[in-house]
This record gives sequence, C-alpha cells and structure tokens, in this order.
Amino acid sequence: GENVEQHPSTLSVQEGDSAVIKCTYSDSASNYFPWYKQELGKRPQLIIDIRSNVGEKKDQRIAVTLNKTAKHFSLHITETQPEDSAVYFCAARDSNYQLIWGAGTKLIIKP
Amino acid sequence: DSGVTQTPKHLITATGQRVTLRCSPRSGDLSVYWYQQSLDQGLQFLIQYYNGEERAKGNILERFSAQQFPDLHSELNLSSLELGDSALYFCASSITPGDPGTEAFFGQGTRLTVV
Repeated sequence: GENVEQHPSTLSVQEGDSAVIKCTYSDSASNYFPWYKQELGKRPQLIIDIRSNVGEKKDQRIAVTLNKTAKHFSLHITETQPEDSAVYFCAARDSNYQLIWGAGTKLIIKP
Repeated sequence: DSGVTQTPKHLITATGQRVTLRCSPRSGDLSVYWYQQSLDQGLQFLIQYYNGEERAKGNILERFSAQQFPDLHSELNLSSLELGDSALYFCASSITPGDPGTEAFFGQGTRLTVV
C-alpha cells in the first residue's frame, strides 16, 4: 500500500525567509496530493493541493511542486510570517481513494 | 466553518467506560473518515465509510467501532477506555472517492480525556 514520508519533522526559519517541506510517496498510482495546515488545538485545513497531471501550483506565498518520476512533492512558503507557524501535513490519495498522511512538520517562525 | 459538525466538543470519562462520538458530514458528502490525534502526534487514520458502507480500515483497535447511518451521519464508538485513548478525534468528509481531487473537510474535533 501507499506510504508517505515527510521531512523535516521540525523546521525553524527566520521571519521573512522561505520554508520548504518535502514528502515522498510510494504508490505510483497516487494522483492527488493535498497539504493541510493545523494550528494548535484546531482542525487541519487545506491550504493547497495538486493533481498528478500538474507539476507546480502557486497561491500567493505558497506553492507546491510535484515530481512524479521521483515520487516526491514539496510545499514552499516564501516570505514567512508569524501566522505561518503551525503543523503542516502532506497527504497522497492512492488508487483506493484513500488519503495517506505524512507524519507532519512543525514549522516555527522566529521573529 | 467547514460544514462538518462533531459532537461533543469535549468529553471526560473514566477508564473502562464507553463513549460515542458523532459526526455530521457536509451536505452532499458521502464519505466520512475518522482520525485519532494524540498529543503532538500526527493524524492516525482509523476508518472510512462511503454511503453507509465501510470503505477502508486503518489502525483501529478492536475496542473501537464505527458506523454510517442512512442519513450519512457517522458515529465512532470507543469502549473499555484506557488512559492512552485520550486524544483529539477528528471526523472529515468528502464528496465522493470517485473524484481523486476531492478535498476532505475536517470537523472541529472531539477532545476525549480518559481519567
């Protein structure tokens, strides 16, 4: 079955710098890759997603890239701000339409 | 507001007891997922229902069970509770697993504390 690995587990960046979180997946049939942001004590919320027929997608300061050959996808956050501090989860939807989750990355934005 | 409603928001109960968590999916969503999130941990998938039938099973203990009713709301039953079952339990819903690009919307979660 599908397996998703997410790195790093914790990422600390200076405010204004960029942050990159990477995920790898194992099932080449996976075709949908969402990223969720979870603030402390709150529910995960979708921030960006990408389908397997697209290589990159941007939404203001966030972007996601997908490399199907290497089976990895990444979240890029530019010009980080204090409100970006949260836990970010990647996921891959496999051929059984099941969302398989990464373990999460705690992003800390240092003032 | 995601449109997914979970009740109760908080639950405190003693070890050995049984509780039921309830989830109402977004209007029109046929698929319901249950997740467990322990303190500072990731999202552990428990079980998925689609249109009343079990679709996929994750790391769900035998002491736990779930069902989805004809009106599409779902209940997660946790029995013989242990201290380690204390966690945030999330329900999520999506339109249909037939569309691979379907977002899953999460409820606010039920925080279960077993004492």
